[in-house]
Amino acid sequence: EAGVVQSPRYKIIEKKQPVAFWCNPISGHNTLYWYRQNLGQGPELLIRYENEEAVDDSQLPKDRFSAERLKGVDSTLKIQPAELGDSAVYLCASSLVPTRVIDTQYFGPGTRLTVL
Amino acid sequence: EDKVVQSPLSLVVHEGDTVTLNCSYEVTNFRSLLWYKQEKKAPTFLFMLTSSGIEKKSGRLSSILDKKELFSILNITATQTGDSAVYLCAEDKIIFGKGTRLHILP
Repeated sequence: EAGVVQSPRYKIIEKKQPVAFWCNPISGHNTLYWYRQNLGQGPELLIRYENEEAVDDSQLPKDRFSAERLKGVDSTLKIQPAELGDSAVYLCASSLVPTRVIDTQYFGPGTRLTVL
Repeated sequence: EDKVVQSPLSLVVHEGDTVTLNCSYEVTNFRSLLWYKQEKKAPTFLFMLTSSGIEKKSGRLSSILDKKELFSILNITATQTGDSAVYLCAEDKIIFGKGTRLHILP
């Protein structure tokens, strides 16, 4: 069974440019998470979807970040325009059932973004 | 503000030693406490704890939650070099600590 797939794995852009990350969760997983992880820190939740509904986006910087999960399957996270401080690893994860139920969460390999 | 604090931030031990990693939390509505292992890539899930005093065990790893004192511990017995990693704890997959970087010397 394929795990969580993310692309691209690495991205280098100049500040003020747009960038998009793609995530395909494990088949059948209805909960999808986007995290940002800075060096030496734990992941920071940006947005959580249950099916196609964003149920927690309180930490998403909405002035420049946007996300969508059309049809409740794969998801795209976009930054426009990127700033130097956005350099980080962007992780996508999925799980089978909503957060409050005992469940295992699976992470993708992440996209390492460098903003110059 | 909800937060999760891990200690120590780093730890170096010899192979065969036993280690205890700590995680304390302050959250408004506690739901669950999770432990992850992160090597050079993405975190991998270890345990999910929701009830106090019930130990979860997987091989040489075990974890327990104390909801009265608001903390959890992760124990690793007979450590091996492959246990070297960053161990993260999180509340409900939402609020993560900074992690404990564990290095096992051969």
